[in-house]
Amino acid sequence: TQLLEQSPQFLSIQEGENLTVYCNSSSVFSSLQWYRQEPGEGPVLLVTVVTGGEVKKLKRLTFQFGDARKDSSLHITAAQPGDTGLYLCAGSNTGTASKLTFGTGTRLQVTL
Amino acid sequence: NAGVMQNPRHLVRRRGQEARLRCSPMKGHSHVYWYRQLPEEGLKFMVYLQKENIIDESGMPKERFSAEFPKEGPSILRIQQVVRGDSAAYFCASSPPNRYNEQFFGPGTRLTVL
Repeated sequence: TQLLEQSPQFLSIQEGENLTVYCNSSSVFSSLQWYRQEPGEGPVLLVTVVTGGEVKKLKRLTFQFGDARKDSSLHITAAQPGDTGLYLCAGSNTGTASKLTFGTGTRLQVTL
Repeated sequence: NAGVMQNPRHLVRRRGQEARLRCSPMKGHSHVYWYRQLPEEGLKFMVYLQKENIIDESGMPKERFSAEFPKEGPSILRIQQVVRGDSAAYFCASSPPNRYNEQFFGPGTRLTVL
């Protein structure tokens, strides 16, 4: 069974601070997705990374896929209250093309 | 371009009743997935369907749960004889052909079993 562990589990920071969220597995994934979920809503897809070592930027968010495709990180620069939410990583493999295996989640709160 | 639609958003059932959850994928998407999010737990895959076919149901409980995606109309997740442990948020996602890993989620149906 493939597992994705995220750390930290909870993070409370002030506006303007930087933060990094980690997503780790002992298994290799062919692609990895990051989602953000707000209370009462479904996850919203932020990015997909498919190549080992790949780095993608989305405004103040930087996503990296590990060289071995077993881990990923999400870095947020100058966090804003609007970044508050549950961040989820999810991995998929070509052999099990249908399934997304979701991480344990990181709950981020950004205060003024 | 409308996103994935799910209804109802909230559903209350008494133990032993049936629950029917509906999902309309994004326009142009032919793959539908159902996931369940139990309280204080992560999202877990249940089933993957294409039109008129169940492709992977490895995450579905063996009894009481079924899913379909007919040629016309929405995908349906059906739970018979609900029990309190079925209370959860059920999410549907869809993806375009050949881009199975880019799954776009609906707002979910929150099922409460009394």
